[in-house]
Amino acid sequence: EVQLVESGGGLVQPGGSLRLSCAASEFTFNRYWMSWVRQAPGKGLEWVANIKQDGSEKYYVDSVKGRFTVSRDNAKNSLYLQMNSLRAEDTAVYFCARDSLFCGGDCLYYQYYYMDVWGKGTTVTVSS
Amino acid sequence: DIQMTQSPSSLSASVGDRITITCRASQTIGNYLNWYQQKPGKAPKVLIYAASSLQSGVPLRFSGSGSGTEFTLTISSLQPEDSATYFCQHSYSSPWTFGQGTKVEIK
Repeated sequence: EVQLVESGGGLVQPGGSLRLSCAASEFTFNRYWMSWVRQAPGKGLEWVANIKQDGSEKYYVDSVKGRFTVSRDNAKNSLYLQMNSLRAEDTAVYFCARDSLFCGGDCLYYQYYYMDVWGKGTTVTVSS
Repeated sequence: DIQMTQSPSSLSASVGDRITITCRASQTIGNYLNWYQQKPGKAPKVLIYAASSLQSGVPLRFSGSGSGTEFTLTISSLQPEDSATYFCQHSYSSPWTFGQGTKVEIK
């Protein structure tokens, strides 16, 4: 079964750091972009970051730029999110997700990405 | 950043009803629009990608339409298991953003 399993969440003080991991199984990990998405308690979904198959391209939401770093180890089928300078507003469930690609005709011009496999999430709480 | 606005924020409907959720983008996004369903305590599940393509395994009562800035998710005959929150999300450019969600309740 295609699966993503997050780990590494926990309670951390403001200003602290945490590293989340996401283990992928039963699909060819190095063929996919991968994303992190978070959900604050009782709130909606917020896309946080994603990373290209070979790690050469990374994108972030503005609120985490300079504090969070997404990375991957294709040999270990793993995705990571290093979170530094954590703030109370970073408190959330963090999901990793697989970015799948649908080509609408000409794949050179029409590349539709969507997140089709999700982990169950890991909870990060930033509080003193 | 592209803002995604859903309406309504919540709705209550009966089993068998046809319901429609609207998602508007703050700028044109072509067909780069996905829909997700999320049940409490669970991860989101993709229903529709590229505005109108049905994800494998998703019931045919779900459909998506629209392009440019206005999109809709329709459930043709609401079922009890469709009680959930629905989110739209664009993948036109980074950062990807989600709508605020529409909570669907069964009367």
